[in-house]
Amino acid sequence: SQTIHQWPATLVQPVGSPLSLECTVEGTSNPNLYWYRQAAGRGLQLLFYSVGIGQISSEVPQNLSASRPQDRQFILSSKKLLLSDSGFYLCAWSEAAGGVTGELFFGEGSRLTVL
Amino acid sequence: AQSVTQLDSQVPVFEEAPVELRCNYSSSVSVYLFWYVQYPNQGLQLLLKYLSGSTLVKGINGFEAEFNKSQTSFHLRKPSVHISDTAEYFCAVSKTGGFKTIFGAGTRLFVKA
Repeated sequence: SQTIHQWPATLVQPVGSPLSLECTVEGTSNPNLYWYRQAAGRGLQLLFYSVGIGQISSEVPQNLSASRPQDRQFILSSKKLLLSDSGFYLCAWSEAAGGVTGELFFGEGSRLTVL
Repeated sequence: AQSVTQLDSQVPVFEEAPVELRCNYSSSVSVYLFWYVQYPNQGLQLLLKYLSGSTLVKGINGFEAEFNKSQTSFHLRKPSVHISDTAEYFCAVSKTGGFKTIFGAGTRLFVKA
């Protein structure tokens, strides 16, 4: 069966420090991968998605970047965190387009607090 | 482009009462529709989905939803809620054959004893 792991679960970082959140998927090949951010009362905002290694699409201009160095690994990064980067970050995967439903499978989330 | 509107940000309800969480969407193309549930400090998990066929969709934990194309709605219902149903519920839409999912702002269901 497929599983998705996301870490760290909780992170407290000072303003201006770097960030790296990691997500890996097991039990499937060539998944579509996603990073969402959840702010209180604002639902889920799609930040990045990837349909293959090295292929990253950004949905919202911001202080963050994403990379996909391996088929089932997705990393969210920042060189210098801002206070506004605080939130709950969710990694998700779906089967590749072309025959599927768009159903997303989520990790447990990473809560980032920038002080 | 697709969009999703969840009409209630919070819904308080007593245990064993029925509940309806409302969702409206807009899209110029065919879509798939989803309801996800999120328990505190966890990721989201799928409750149910509408892809095609019967407009009444049954999901896990006794929830069901009805797709109404003319009203562009996909309301979630449960005839009798439990304390354990307290969670945040998200309605979502994706374009048929696409791979981006757009979420509503969420509805927080609070079940009281």
